[in-house]
This record gives sequence, structure tokens and C-alpha cells, in this order.
Amino acid sequence: EAQVTQNPRYLITVTGKKLTVTCSQNMNHEYMSWYRQDPGLGLRQIYYSMNVEVTDKGDVPEGYKVSRKEKRNFPLILESPSPNQTSLYFCASSPPDRGRPYEQYFGPGTRLTVT
Amino acid sequence: EDQVTQSPEALRLQEGESSSLNCSYTVSGLRGLFWYRQDPGKGPEFLFTLYSAGEEKEKERLKATLTKKESFLHITAPKPEDSATYLCAVQAQHQAGTALIFGKGTTLSVSS
Repeated sequence: EAQVTQNPRYLITVTGKKLTVTCSQNMNHEYMSWYRQDPGLGLRQIYYSMNVEVTDKGDVPEGYKVSRKEKRNFPLILESPSPNQTSLYFCASSPPDRGRPYEQYFGPGTRLTVT
Repeated sequence: EDQVTQSPEALRLQEGESSSLNCSYTVSGLRGLFWYRQDPGKGPEFLFTLYSAGEEKEKERLKATLTKKESFLHITAPKPEDSATYLCAVQAQHQAGTALIFGKGTTLSVSS
């Protein structure tokens, strides 16, 4: 089954304790992205990757890191989480844009609480 | 500034009562407009992509249309299982290959 998976699905942590949220897709997509979703603010892009070893900042990158060492994986790293990073996080992937944008396929989400 | 506005924020319908959701956009060159459905606590599920004004797409009780300034998601004879938040997103020319700009969504409740 074609899908985007995220782990963990739920995480409660404390301020300053480094964490990683994993994202993996089995559709051989080149493009991957991370979003956060907050009430009243909607979905906002954190980081994206056009291909292996190519990453760039989205609209709200502060406090986050990413890496793309393999095509299928795109982990999101919070080096020193703070309470304002409490949110619902989504990973997404899509085929490469060759003149027309394709839809992005979203993972099931990771609900993160930082106390 | 690129912007996507969805209205209404919330919509309550009786089963069978058709209606439309609106997505107004202001972008510097539209490359594509996307509609997604999102159930509580789950990831957005892709519905439609529209690329140019005049284009229409249909799927079961849903029909999406696009003009140069807005898109509509028409829901014909909705059922309770159509209850969800519907998200509209656009990709602009200067953002080729990158971010989608999302609206805040319309939460639809259909009662039997």
C-alpha cells in the first residue's frame, strides 16, 4: 500500500530534550515536506526537500532541523524543544514537479506536547 | 502577499441539503489549486487538483470548480460521512516545486 508513515504518532516530552520524528514514504517520491498545524493558523510548512541531500526552509523553520540522506526518509529534528512547538505535525511527499505541480500525500500526523 | 481565504469557517447541513464551500485566493500566478479533506486527528486526504480557470473535477457527491479568483467545492445531497474539514491550498508561480499555501479550512457537519 502506497503510504507516508510517521513515528511516533504521539509524544509528550519536556523542554530541552532533543527528539526526532521520523517520516518514511514508499512511493519513490522525490519531494518531501514537513508541516505543522495549529488551531486558527492552519497548516504551515516547516522544511522541504526536493531530493536527496537537498533541503530548504519553509515558512516556520526556527527551532527545527531536517536531513535527507535517503530518498524515502525525511526526519524532523527538534534539538531543544520548547512549549511553543507543541503542535500537530504532518509529513508529506509528492512526485517531482515537471511543469505541473502534483498533489502532496500526507502522513497520519504526530501530536507533540512539550511541557 | 499570497493568501488563501476559505468561507464559511463552519457549515451545518441536513442530510441531502446541497451547498458550496468557497476558496478565494490571491497569488502571483497560480500553478495549481488543491482540495483536501481532513478528518479530526488525521492527515489531509487529497481530493482534487485544478490548474486553470474553467476547469472542473467531480468525485461522487463533490464537484470542484475554478475561476481566476476563487474555487468552489460543491457538495450535492451530502451524507453524514461527508462531515470533515475541507482544506484548500494553492501553489504559486514563484513557489514552483515547494510550498502549498493552505487556507484555514471549512468544517462541515452533516446531520441525518
